[in-house]
Amino acid sequence: AAGVIQSPRHLIKEKRETATLKCYPIPRHDTVYWYQQGPGQDPQFLISFYEKMQSDKGSIPDRFSAQQFSDYHSELNMSSLELGDSALYFCASSRDRGYEQYFGPGTRLTVT
Amino acid sequence: AQTVTQSQPEMSVQEAETVTLSCTYDTSESNYYLFWYKQPPSRQMILVIRQEAYKQQNATENRFSVNFQKAAKSFSLKISDSQLGDTAMYFCAFMKPLNRDDKIIFGKGTRLHILP
Repeated sequence: AAGVIQSPRHLIKEKRETATLKCYPIPRHDTVYWYQQGPGQDPQFLISFYEKMQSDKGSIPDRFSAQQFSDYHSELNMSSLELGDSALYFCASSRDRGYEQYFGPGTRLTVT
Repeated sequence: AQTVTQSQPEMSVQEAETVTLSCTYDTSESNYYLFWYKQPPSRQMILVIRQEAYKQQNATENRFSVNFQKAAKSFSLKISDSQLGDTAMYFCAFMKPLNRDDKIIFGKGTRLHILP
């Protein structure tokens, strides 16, 4: 069965640079969620989209923005990167809001 | 706001033994989902088992079962006949099945070591 695809899987950036993370949901899933997992931490919700509109927002810094495109893939844009942004970023998709979420493999971002 | 608490930061058991991971949560909702996720060294988040709050019967998936006590707001995971591949971080998680507030809230996790 098709799973959630995230790219890139690993990303190394320097402070103050910009990063773009991509997420391709499971086919026919119209809802996408982004979570951030810092070292030794539990995943924290960042933002979600339903039918290409922002659905809910968590503790996402103003330096981050995200959107969902017409083909339902989503991108998380991160600017002015800080050392503290180093984390594993998960994307999850669901067939509708309030249903089971399926997680992608994550993108490991390292900021140096 | 909902909270999820896992009181066991780390546990170790011998292979083939049974182990129980504890989880408590706090919510004023009557309908919700509870999950156990496994995160092995690969860091992939793998759904182990889910429980819907309106269902009284405890969920079971092969060697994994839960003890869901709604009144006590307790949701423990039992792993029977533990295997080396069960070594991982386990997260207890909560989700409201509502359209605009369906983010998953995770506990801090329990690191489980299965010893040969």
